[in-house]
Amino acid sequence: SYVLTQPPSVSVAPGQTAKITCAGHNIGDKSVHWYQQKPGQAPLLVVYDNSDRPSAIPERISGSNSGNTATLTITRVEAGDEADYYCQVYDVTTDHYVFGSGTKVTVL
Amino acid sequence: QVQLVQSGAEVKKPGASVKVSCKTSGYSFNGHDINWVRQATGQGLEWMAWLNPKRGHTDYAQDFQGRVTITMDSSISTVYMEVRSLRSNDTAVYYCARGSGSWFDSWGQGTLVTVSS
Repeated sequence: SYVLTQPPSVSVAPGQTAKITCAGHNIGDKSVHWYQQKPGQAPLLVVYDNSDRPSAIPERISGSNSGNTATLTITRVEAGDEADYYCQVYDVTTDHYVFGSGTKVTVL
Repeated sequence: QVQLVQSGAEVKKPGASVKVSCKTSGYSFNGHDINWVRQATGQGLEWMAWLNPKRGHTDYAQDFQGRVTITMDSSISTVYMEVRSLRSNDTAVYYCARGSGSWFDSWGQGTLVTVSS
């Protein structure tokens, strides 16, 4: 089955830029989606189709996807961005969905 | 607005079954798949299964095939997930999530299922 690999943790100072990677074989050929999950809350969609944002998500959060790596970028990081972030794709070979292992973003 | 409201927390003994409901509102029930996602304590998200309400079709991740059943009652726009033969490592929060394209755009609040003797 398709595997998505994320770094366990990313630390970033307030006001700086956080980059969260999601690695998968030829992931650039797939649509990648990203979710933010804060403690005790359900996941929240923050990026879909590689780089589109739901209307409530600020422009500081963006996505890209090429080759074997998709990236979620958060600019001007704020304390409220501290959360777990998961990437997700649809695997057409199995007709199933796959999540990455998740990355904990810590704001220093 | 779109809402997915799940049933409350459950405590079950090993070997028992649990059935969690997900009541949807604010959109056409037949227009979107409903997925189920599991999250063990301190762990990541794990996709379990999906149901297409229009066709009544379901599909399951291999780890849950044969032990999990997704059903629906379209008259009340509600989807159910049943897990049988519960074991301790089934202790987790179970989420329902609305499918849109190949992503999940709305989520239920989650249901904690605790399996303990």
